[in-house]
Amino acid sequence: GAVVSQHPSWVICKSGTSVKIECRSLDFQATTMFWYRQFPKQSLMLMATSNEGSKATYEQGVEKDKFLINHASLTLSTLTVTSAHPEDSSFYICSAIPGVGYSNQPQHFGDGTRLSIL
Amino acid sequence: AQSVTQPDIHITVSEGASLELRCNYSYGATPYLFWYVQSPGQGLQLLLKYFSGDTLVQGIKGFEAEFKRSQSSFNLRKPSVHWSDAAEYFCAVGEGYNQGGKLIFGQGTELSVKP
Repeated sequence: GAVVSQHPSWVICKSGTSVKIECRSLDFQATTMFWYRQFPKQSLMLMATSNEGSKATYEQGVEKDKFLINHASLTLSTLTVTSAHPEDSSFYICSAIPGVGYSNQPQHFGDGTRLSIL
Repeated sequence: AQSVTQPDIHITVSEGASLELRCNYSYGATPYLFWYVQSPGQGLQLLLKYFSGDTLVQGIKGFEAEFKRSQSSFNLRKPSVHWSDAAEYFCAVGEGYNQGGKLIFGQGTELSVKP
């Protein structure tokens, strides 16, 4: 149980295009999802907290106009990297906390999306 | 400020040997503590968690961890390592849900297993 699916798993695109990454909770509902970025051989850096039906909360230093987050349902959050450039190339991982409203549950992670901008 | 420290960046153990990965945290309240494992190019899998109660917690794949409040530690152990355990291991401290449910990760420890 508690499966999180991320799509696509790998995307290569040209500089200047926008890329959308989907994060789905397959067998549970989640009010809260998270988006992380991970550089090679490094830990996860939290980018933003995504809350269903409300605006995402971004961490300091993360450009909200660059990384658009939409959490339109209790099973889907999307991250759109707008006008992507080579420096946006990275491994992006989402996670979800099972539960609607208060939930004393751990985060469950997707398998990540490797984004390469040429 | 909350923080998590994993002192060992890389550890190599022989298959069948015991393993201990260290984790120290700094957190003002009673922490929620986690260990996750990440294989190359993949997401994170939860090994075990500590919220409250018994300070020795059992996880999947034969792992266990012990919460020691006096030492601010949550070390991960396994009595006999298998080659398939080679991966990156992350310790994390979590805020309660009503504080956002965020996780603060350590830097990670890369485990290599010698045959």
